[in-house]
Amino acid sequence: SQQGEEDPQALSIQEGENATMNCSYKTSINNLQWYRQNSGRGLVHLILIRSNEREKHSGRLRVTLDTSKKSSSLLITASRAADTASYFCATWHNQGGKLIFGQGTELSVKP
Amino acid sequence: EAQVTQNPRYLITVTGKKLTVTCSQNMNHEYMSWYRQDPGLGLRQIYYSMNVEVTDKGDVPEGYKVSRKEKRNFPLILESPSPNQTSLYFCASSSSGRLFEQFFGPGTRLTVL
Repeated sequence: SQQGEEDPQALSIQEGENATMNCSYKTSINNLQWYRQNSGRGLVHLILIRSNEREKHSGRLRVTLDTSKKSSSLLITASRAADTASYFCATWHNQGGKLIFGQGTELSVKP
Repeated sequence: EAQVTQNPRYLITVTGKKLTVTCSQNMNHEYMSWYRQDPGLGLRQIYYSMNVEVTDKGDVPEGYKVSRKEKRNFPLILESPSPNQTSLYFCASSSSGRLFEQFFGPGTRLTVL
């Protein structure tokens, strides 16, 4: 992939459990973002973490960033069935003026 | 409401029949872009535009054209669609001051028979 890998590719959990998704990237970044996509629909921006931040919270979401390992993780706590979606990390690249996305993690939360 | 709109949302067409997918944003954004999403390949950029009359190729521009005559619109043109252009297409926009903060349209699912 252009950007790197996300793992796991698919994750199935029960409601109330926590879900952790990981993302790796290849180049230096200024920030990293996470997006959510409900099946076949548009991308919704969830959270952005800057390269000088190690952790960021937004509601039930917690994102960490380790620039030395070029990796990030997204934790969704107390998951709900409505969290069922695909989750993508993305980094902005000035050269080419584009976001480069990971392959995504497909999360299924069973009621 | 600030948004990016795309039309049509769904389209089934045949090989060689020219089509245009429209994209419009109401946020006065300078930057607009088109991506396609395919299973196993993720999202890949097709074309982007930094401002009116300024467009540039992305990673997979073959078979596509774009134009940016007005700030709010960025249509994607397939002059002679082929089955390998069957995909889910997304338009995105952002301001020049925060290029990385992209707002995505709802997507257009295109099937070329």
